[in-house]
Amino acid sequence: TQLLEQSPQFLSIQEGENLTVYCNSSSVFSSLQWYRQEPGEGPVLLVTVVTGGEVKKLKRLTFQFGDARKDSSLHITAAQPGDTGLYLCAGGRIQGAQKLVFGQGTRLTINP
Amino acid sequence: DAGITQSPRYKITETGRQVTLMCHQTWSHSYMFWYRQDLGHGLRLIYYSAAADITDKGEVPDGYVVSRSKTENFPLTLESATRSQTSVYFCASSELGWLDEQFFGPGTRLTVL
Repeated sequence: TQLLEQSPQFLSIQEGENLTVYCNSSSVFSSLQWYRQEPGEGPVLLVTVVTGGEVKKLKRLTFQFGDARKDSSLHITAAQPGDTGLYLCAGGRIQGAQKLVFGQGTRLTINP
Repeated sequence: DAGITQSPRYKITETGRQVTLMCHQTWSHSYMFWYRQDLGHGLRLIYYSAAADITDKGEVPDGYVVSRSKTENFPLTLESATRSQTSVYFCASSELGWLDEQFFGPGTRLTVL
């Protein structure tokens, strides 16, 4: 059972469209990170949100942490081919052997 | 080169053989991590280290051994490789700990035949 569920797992859209990726859990997290991973490379951190209800913007990317700190979303406006990649959310936990838990990822393809 | 490097990038081995994956970082970060990435599972933590000579198990440690005699190196050894250990392995480091930004290496793709 995945502690953090990401949806959709796969998404293929045309350049210029908008999209939202979701990261959901029944557990409360102290923080939530979003990473992007390109083929053949390791993940790279995009943003960290720490406060319930927090919204952060990174150019065309908008990240939101749920009020109850159990979920997060990533919205991309006017998607571009350069946005293609695997998007991973990761939740910070106070307890447990793994204090940063990753979702299974959303594989995003933006078609020109 | 500055950053975090892993070697080899690709490795094919046979069941029962011992394999060591290397990880080196140049930032002197205190924390280092080993993850495996499998389709549908995201990144799962194998072992981590908070400092030189301090290591601890993650959520999937069975069949793996780590050491950290120097801050910059964190090798991962598969004592007797099994087919279920076929995966992509990522090493990461962070300066302040778990919830600080983790910097990932490029990964090692390991195939166990």
